[in-house]
Amino acid sequence: GDSVTQMEGPVTLSEEAFLTINCTYTATGYPSLFWYVQYPGEGLQLLLKATKADDKGSNKGFEATYRKETTSFHLEKGSVQVSDSAVYFCALTYYGGSQGNLIFGKGTKLSVKP
Amino acid sequence: DSGVTQTPKHLITATGQRVTLRCSPRSGDLSVYWYQQSLDQGLQFLIQYYNGEERAKGNILERFSAQQFPDLHSELNLSSLELGDSALYFCASSVESSVSTDTQYFGPGTRLTVL
Repeated sequence: GDSVTQMEGPVTLSEEAFLTINCTYTATGYPSLFWYVQYPGEGLQLLLKATKADDKGSNKGFEATYRKETTSFHLEKGSVQVSDSAVYFCALTYYGGSQGNLIFGKGTKLSVKP
Repeated sequence: DSGVTQTPKHLITATGQRVTLRCSPRSGDLSVYWYQQSLDQGLQFLIQYYNGEERAKGNILERFSAQQFPDLHSELNLSSLELGDSALYFCASSVESSVSTDTQYFGPGTRLTVL
């Protein structure tokens, strides 16, 4: 079945460092891909998404490109801030069918130190 | 604030008991999804309703059931609770799940502790 694999955390970075969180997927079809973020004590918020190959999603300085050839959707940010400390989830779903549930990776905890 | 509300925020109960979690979707959203977040299983999809009808089932135990009411709010019923049911339960809502512009908005979750 379909699945999402993320790099293990936690990831600890200093402020202004470059961030990469790896995400790869296994899919039977052509899914849409997402990054969600969960701040401490809160629900999940959509960070960015891409619906087809070579699409780049971006938001708040974060970017991810849908790479069909490597089945990847790595999250990057050029300069992290303390306020980016959170858990990041990569996910996939299919549009166009009768259901649209998200399949999540296990999450990667990011801690950014001042 | 996503516009999705969940009650209660915390729930502590004993093994063997039954609880009901409630979710109100964003105004205008017809789809409601329930997810379970636990340390060992991560975030797992349980069940989806669309405009009152069950649309999809995931890894939902037979002891669990859900429904969506005419006003579109949804309830997740968990019965014969076990220690392993302790988890964070999220509700999400979206307008319509079949179009690529659709986005799921998550509520703040209900933390269930089974003692």
